[in-house]
Amino acid sequence: DGGITQSPKYLFRKEGQNVTLSCEQNLNHDAMYWYRQDPGQGLRLIYYSQIVNDFQKGDIAEGYSVSREKKESFPLTVTSAQKNPTAFYLCASSMGTPGEQYFGPGTRLTVT
Amino acid sequence: AQSVTQPDIHITVSEGASLELRCNYSYGATPYLFWYVQSPGQGLQLLLKYFSGDTLVQGIKGFEAEFKRSQSSFNLRKPSVHWSDAAEYFCAVGAHGGSQGNLIFGKGTKLSVKP
Repeated sequence: DGGITQSPKYLFRKEGQNVTLSCEQNLNHDAMYWYRQDPGQGLRLIYYSQIVNDFQKGDIAEGYSVSREKKESFPLTVTSAQKNPTAFYLCASSMGTPGEQYFGPGTRLTVT
Repeated sequence: AQSVTQPDIHITVSEGASLELRCNYSYGATPYLFWYVQSPGQGLQLLLKYFSGDTLVQGIKGFEAEFKRSQSSFNLRKPSVHWSDAAEYFCAVGAHGGSQGNLIFGKGTKLSVKP
C-alpha cells in the first residue's frame, strides 16, 4: 500500500537535545512538507521541498533543519535552538501543483 | 497574501442533524480549495477539493462543499451527521506563485456530535 510513514509516534527528549523526526513516502511524490500543529493554531508550515536536494523555509523555520537526499525521505531535525519544540508534527507529500497533499499519521514530540 | 478563515472554533450538532462548516478565503484569482478532516492524534485526510468547473463538489463520507466566488466562501455540508463524524475539520487554499503547491490552512473547526 502506498502512503506516508512517520516514526516514532511519540518522542520524548530533554531540553537542549537535538531530535530527528522521520518521514518516508512511497507515493513517488516530488514535493514534501513539514507542519507543526498546536491546539487552536491550525497547521503551520516549517519547511517544504519540491524536488530532491532542494528545500525552502516555511513560515516558522527557525530552530528546525531538514534534508532531502532521496525522493522518498524528508527528515526534520528539531534543534536545541527551537524555543518551544513540544508539539504535534505532521509530514505531507504531493504530486505537484495544484495537487492535494497526503498526510502521515504524525509524531507527537514532548520536550521537558 | 492568501488566508483562510474558519469562523467557528467549535460546533456541536445532534446525530442525524444537518451540518454546515464555514470557510472564507482571501485570494485574488480562482483558488484551489480543500477540506480535510482530522481525528484526534491522527494525520489529515482529504474530504474533497475544488480546482475548477462545477461549484458544488462531492467528497467522501457523504460530504459536499460549494464554492461561491461572490462570497469568497467554500462551506462544507453534510445532510445527516453520524457520531463518527466527530473530528476537527480544516479548510485550505492552494498557494500560487513562488510557493506553488503549498497550502494555507485555516485554524480548524472542532465538531462534536450529540447522541
